[in-house]
Amino acid sequence: ETGVTQTPRHLVMGMTNKKSLKCEQHLGHNAMYWYKQSAKKPLELMFVYSLEERVENNSVPSRFSPECPNSSHLFLHLHTLQPEDSALYLCASSPQAGQGISGANVLTFGAGSRLTVL
Amino acid sequence: AQKVTQAQTEISVVEKEDVTLDCVYETRDTTYYLFWYKQPPSGELVFLIRRNSFDEQNEISGRYSWNFQKSTSSFNFTITASQVVDSAVYFCAPNDYKLSFGAGTTVTVRA
Repeated sequence: ETGVTQTPRHLVMGMTNKKSLKCEQHLGHNAMYWYKQSAKKPLELMFVYSLEERVENNSVPSRFSPECPNSSHLFLHLHTLQPEDSALYLCASSPQAGQGISGANVLTFGAGSRLTVL
Repeated sequence: AQKVTQAQTEISVVEKEDVTLDCVYETRDTTYYLFWYKQPPSGELVFLIRRNSFDEQNEISGRYSWNFQKSTSSFNFTITASQVVDSAVYFCAPNDYKLSFGAGTTVTVRA
């Protein structure tokens, strides 16, 4: 497989469940990201990992817990979510972290995991 | 503060019409990059183009063209002779430290 792969594509969970979203990239990139896309809202950056280290946590509630065991895999562990957490969760990767002027990294996105919290 | 604005929320056109999407990036930075991404109904954002603030030459790629004007901080994107497959949400994104995206413009092309 090439590009960025996200699983599952669709997930329905209750507020007391624990589930995880998985992201995998086969591009040799060093940085990975989680974005949240809610209806009628701009894309919201949640977390940034660079070489498996978290470099950005955008004031995300602790019920979202990221994990990056290596530069190719990124997880988002979910527990005791709220209905307002229902959204499309997008994973992305880039050669380096950020889109700074020195690199102007292009983000490669996965197709997203559509989460519904009942 | 840096701010990216896509004033158009939705645009609906009939096939073969041209569509122009506006993006304005307010920043005090003198050097920066701007990006356009496309998000079709499948959900996956796809990179279209990036331009740096030094390069104001228009660029054309097939039916797509871009017009960057630093003086007005605008980076507009035109789809010529639109097709149904162009129906998507289009995002403008600066390379700021927040890795932010504009709110997006939904383009619907009707057959």
